[in-house]
This record gives sequence, structure tokens and C-alpha cells, in this order.
Amino acid sequence: DSGVTQTPKHLITATGQRVTLRCSPRSGDLSVYWYQQSLDQGLQFLIQYYNGEERAKGNILERFSAQQFPDLHSELNLSSLELGDSALYFCASSARPQMGTDTQYFGPGTRLTVL
Amino acid sequence: QQPVQSPQAVILREGEDAVINCSSSKALYSVHWYRQKHGEAPVFLMILLKGGEQKGHEKISASFNEKKQQSSLYLTASQLSYSGTYFCAPYYGGSQGNLIFGKGTKLSVKP
Repeated sequence: DSGVTQTPKHLITATGQRVTLRCSPRSGDLSVYWYQQSLDQGLQFLIQYYNGEERAKGNILERFSAQQFPDLHSELNLSSLELGDSALYFCASSARPQMGTDTQYFGPGTRLTVL
Repeated sequence: QQPVQSPQAVILREGEDAVINCSSSKALYSVHWYRQKHGEAPVFLMILLKGGEQKGHEKISASFNEKKQQSSLYLTASQLSYSGTYFCAPYYGGSQGNLIFGKGTKLSVKP
């Protein structure tokens, strides 16, 4: 158990809908990262927040947005969902903002299925 | 700039050794290694910083050759628990300020 929690574990929805994925980092960690893992694209970095501020951005679609709240939990919002958005979404956390040198601990993931 | 991992898959008997390579087309600031079992989250193994530093984790160690822009993961005396998919994730820094995961190497350890 990494100490990172994600809810829900599974989510099934229809195309065009909007969903929110939630992540609580390990106690004491200030950085939160979101990743998407699909069979064809592999594990892809979406976005990082550090202490409430956006720190780094990866291959995140405009239909997706995220935020980190004062209590450090984070939410990933996915809107206008398409079939291709079906994937495993992982949240990870680390203590510091430097992605290159800091250990990231991954949560169990949310499996999103878009029908 | 996704790194290239080789081999794509490897099957071992318990007690055998394996090497997984990770090559990049550009200069690396650091390399992270993760292991993921089927249906589970990636688990951190180690980080290597530029400078040829070698780190170890139980019977798993790794090296980082800055000049060759590559890293290798060494698994010695493999155990059944080592089965899973191994990912390297280079960090390039600068405008590519995030981890870029390779496609993974699937390792299966048989009794």
C-alpha cells in the first residue's frame, strides 16, 4: 500500500459525459501527478500540481482539467468523453516538486470505461 | 522522445539473471525505474542521476551511462515475485520537464 488513495476504483459512463476522479496523496506529500495508461499509448504523464499550483503539464487534452485543493487532495475532470478516453488513470504523489529527483508513489488507479 | 526498452519480453527460471536496457535519443538528467504487476499500480524501484551512479534495491541494481544515454536494470537470482512489467522513465529536464515512460519489458519468472 503506497498511501495514495484514489476513488472511484471503477467508472463506467457514456460518450459525451463528464466525470471526476479523486486522489488523496500520501501524508506529507505536496506534489500530485496524474497519469493515463492505455494499451496503445502506454503510461503517459498528464499534469503535476505542487501545493495547489500547476507545476508541469504533459499530454493533457483540453477536455481534461485538474486542480489541487488546500487540503492537498486533487481532482481530475474529464469532459465530453470519447471512447478513446477509456483507460486506467493513476494518481501519484511525492514530497517535493522536482520530478527528476523525487520518488513518486502511485495510487491503485481508476479504471474508466466509456461506452 | 520515448525511450526504447529491450528486450520487450523475457522468460526466466527462478535463480536466473536478467538485464533490461533503456536507451534514449537525447541527454538524460535522471532515469527512474518502476515495476508494475498485472492490474496493479507501478511501484518505484530506484532513481539514477547522471554521473554513472549505480544504485541497488535488494537483488536489483541499475546503472546509468550518461555518455551512451542509456540505463540498464540488473536482476540477479530472480524470484517469482520479480514477475511483472518493468518500465524505465527518463527525465530530460528543461522543456520536457516530466517523466516519459518506455513501453515496458515484461518479465516472467517460472519455478
